[in-house]
Amino acid sequence: DAKTTQPPSMDCAEGRAANLPCNHSTISGNEYVYWYRQIHSQGPQYIIHGLKNNETNEMASLIITEDRKSSTLILPHATLRDTAVYYCIVARNNAGNMLTFGGGTRLMVKP
Amino acid sequence: GAVVSQHPSRVICKSGTSVKIECRSLDFQATTMFWYRQFPKQSLMLMATSNEGSKATYEQGVEKDKFLINHASLTLSTLTVTSAHPEDSSFYICSASMEIPTPYTFGSGTRLTVV
Repeated sequence: DAKTTQPPSMDCAEGRAANLPCNHSTISGNEYVYWYRQIHSQGPQYIIHGLKNNETNEMASLIITEDRKSSTLILPHATLRDTAVYYCIVARNNAGNMLTFGGGTRLMVKP
Repeated sequence: GAVVSQHPSRVICKSGTSVKIECRSLDFQATTMFWYRQFPKQSLMLMATSNEGSKATYEQGVEKDKFLINHASLTLSTLTVTSAHPEDSSFYICSASMEIPTPYTFGSGTRLTVV
């Protein structure tokens, strides 16, 4: 699976949009981009995933560049409860294929 | 949506004893489950892939005789830490998926402390 690069930490003001970048320049054509987050002492929580088109759900939006070498997770109105470590993972969407976690981005939402 | 239940959430055991952690898929059948370990301030590291009805596949450096994995049914996988030592103290997390393309769901994790 392709490796990803994320900034180790970011701050965001409460109520503002949080934009979390991820570089995955070696992504293969059949690999998806997944985003998970982990709040302290809990299991990772699925946020969103996509292949090539931008995606949006009730939690966030995922913007994938046309060359698929990078993506951005957008939390439109960050709250204090969004403080967590956010992981960007690229992986094939096959049964039995594990997710490999990198270092992630520690997002701190401040009042 | 898919729910993965992990039990217990916290356990403290004495050195030399064994501890069993359960991972259940509550509303779906999981042919494959994964076990991860996470040390403080570090990322999740895959320990093993658990396949229903067959032997688990362990990642390099993970002792299969120490971390026993049993996946006897499509809804239950167990991880047993045998002869636990303080260095086994960690956060253990399982994950599973329904039929693809549903993304993987993670359990809430088990905090193991060996004293």
